[in-house]
Amino acid sequence: KAGVTQTPRYLIKTRGQQVTLSCSPISGHRSVSWYQQTPGQGLQFLFEYFSETQRNKGNFPGRFSGRQFSNSRSEMNVSTLELGDSALYLCASSIPGVPYEQYFGPGTRLTVT
Amino acid sequence: DAKTTQPNSMESNEEEPVHLPCNHSTISGTDYIHWYRQLPSQGPEYVIHGLTSNVNNRMASLAIAEDRKSSTLILHRATLRDAAVYYCILAGNQFYFGTGTSLTVIP
Repeated sequence: KAGVTQTPRYLIKTRGQQVTLSCSPISGHRSVSWYQQTPGQGLQFLFEYFSETQRNKGNFPGRFSGRQFSNSRSEMNVSTLELGDSALYLCASSIPGVPYEQYFGPGTRLTVT
Repeated sequence: DAKTTQPNSMESNEEEPVHLPCNHSTISGTDYIHWYRQLPSQGPEYVIHGLTSNVNNRMASLAIAEDRKSSTLILHRATLRDAAVYYCILAGNQFYFGTGTSLTVIP
């Protein structure tokens, strides 16, 4: 079974621009979660999507948004980029349920200059 | 306020057992305890999870205190490939990652 894939793997953007990151979950996984990882704040939960609906949301400003498509693929968008948005953005997919085991992708490394 | 507290780093000799502690005094009755690890340049990888009882799988064992306010991940025989950052996580509606413990395995 193919793992979680994220594109692009690396990205450099300028302050004020916007960016869209993509995540393809493992086949059959309908839940997708996004995380931001920085040296200072560690791994922080952004949001979770299930069946095209946002189910949970972390404590991030509205500049961070996401969506999920009918094939469970997900995108996250960050508008008006700030230097502090430089981070590794991780996507994880899972079969919904508690407890659930999340499978993480390799991440997208975003650098904002 | 942090939901889990872990030592920043630990060392272990290769082929010896490793006990990685985690405190989670604010755990709620419905929170599961998950452990993930992150190898360099990779996304986190699931290790084990539990609710109240001790758990074993092919990778590790999880010992949960009776009051559930702490837990310990046990790697029975550390190998060089186990060198990673180990995260103890409380899982309710969201995953709350702590700062993790960086494990160094000494050959």
